[in-house]
Amino acid sequence: EADIYQTPRYLVIGTGKKITLECSQTMGHDKMYWYQQDPGMELHLIHYSYGVNSTEKGDLSSESTVSRIRTEHFPLTLESARPSHTSQYLCASSPQSSGRAVGELFFGEGSRLTVL
Amino acid sequence: AQKITQTQPGMFVQEKEAVTLDCTYDTSDPSYGLFWYKQPSSGEMIFLIYQGSYDQQNATEGRYSLNFQKARKSANLVISASQLGDSAMYFCAMRVRPYSGGGADGLTFGKGTHLIIQP
Repeated sequence: EADIYQTPRYLVIGTGKKITLECSQTMGHDKMYWYQQDPGMELHLIHYSYGVNSTEKGDLSSESTVSRIRTEHFPLTLESARPSHTSQYLCASSPQSSGRAVGELFFGEGSRLTVL
Repeated sequence: AQKITQTQPGMFVQEKEAVTLDCTYDTSDPSYGLFWYKQPSSGEMIFLIYQGSYDQQNATEGRYSLNFQKARKSANLVISASQLGDSAMYFCAMRVRPYSGGGADGLTFGKGTHLIIQP
């Protein structure tokens, strides 16, 4: 079973608040990712990191920011939350090589954000 | 650019029947990997099965098998003897190598198929 953890699982906040979604993995994976998923829809990559001090924006534009100060930790921050940010945010990690399934992502349980 | 197409938004299947979930993909990269993930209502993503573009045989994992037709660019998931616990969203995804001009090497996902198993 994958060891990747996200907190909080559920968050309901008001507009304008700053929030940080935490993601930690204990597998020593270099690569980490954040995906955004609206209910019943596909996942869109919003941020990724190849290692410490490496962060890049993904295919879907997002107002959120990320940091990677430690290998195991990849938090996502929204400086001023808006209702349009309401979504599920899934964190994932991947080793440099993963046996047969090259590129397999190990996912956390997700953080469901609701902005009122 | 790579693309995954899942044409079945939802499916209803009787328990114990086999079910096929469709997936077609588009990429110009000769080296790629195809994945299927299951997402129950709780929200986590569960890896089911993987097929590499150079694999000669179709992948199998327990009740899951992948019907890989490279010339048609399709990678359908087959679930044999469906169970009530199979009710979930199913996502097909693809990984290609990142190009020197940029692009992440995460997975590109299809829109998913909502599978409901009926008793």
